[in-house]
Amino acid sequence: DAKTTQPTSMDCAEGRAANLPCNHSTISGNEYVYWYRQIHSQGPQYIIHGLKNNETNEMASLIITEDRKSSTLILPHATLRDTAVYYCILSWGKFQFGAGTQVVVTP
Amino acid sequence: EAQVTQNPRYLITVTGKKLTVTCSQNMNHEYMSWYRQDPGLGLRQIYYSMNVEVTDKGDVPEGYKVSRKEKRNFPLILESPSPNQTSLYFCASSGRGRENQPQHFGDGTRLSIL
Repeated sequence: DAKTTQPTSMDCAEGRAANLPCNHSTISGNEYVYWYRQIHSQGPQYIIHGLKNNETNEMASLIITEDRKSSTLILPHATLRDTAVYYCILSWGKFQFGAGTQVVVTP
Repeated sequence: EAQVTQNPRYLITVTGKKLTVTCSQNMNHEYMSWYRQDPGLGLRQIYYSMNVEVTDKGDVPEGYKVSRKEKRNFPLILESPSPNQTSLYFCASSGRGRENQPQHFGDGTRLSIL
């Protein structure tokens, strides 16, 4: 599976949108972009995934560039409970978790 | 409620004493997997199963066994645990079909091997 590159950490103000970038320049045609988050030592929580098109659900939006070499996860109105490590993963079956981005939402 | 259930949640035991961590899912998922998470190393896959009676090694299978006799259950077996298997373990499951499916994770099992 191709690898992803994410910033190590990000701060976000409560109530503001959080935009989390992910680079995946070697993504292959059948690999989906997945986003998960992990709050402290709880089990990773699925957020959203997509192949080519932008996706939105009740938690977040996923914007994938036309060349599919990067994507952005958008949390529209960050809350303190969104403080977590966010993982961007490429997958066609197998999941490989990287180090993720530590997001801290501050009041 | 759709969920992946792991037991026990916490276990402290001694080297060499066989233990089993159970994992059960109620979503009729074909795919199940075990991960371990260690500081600085992230989540690493131990074993996975594409369906009943079909299992395969992940990235770090040494010292572990699994079985998949029923669709809903995927136990992780440590025949002779050692201190380097002290870790946080997660079980996950997903459906398989034409659409790529997200994995759903359990709440984790924290093992301490003394």
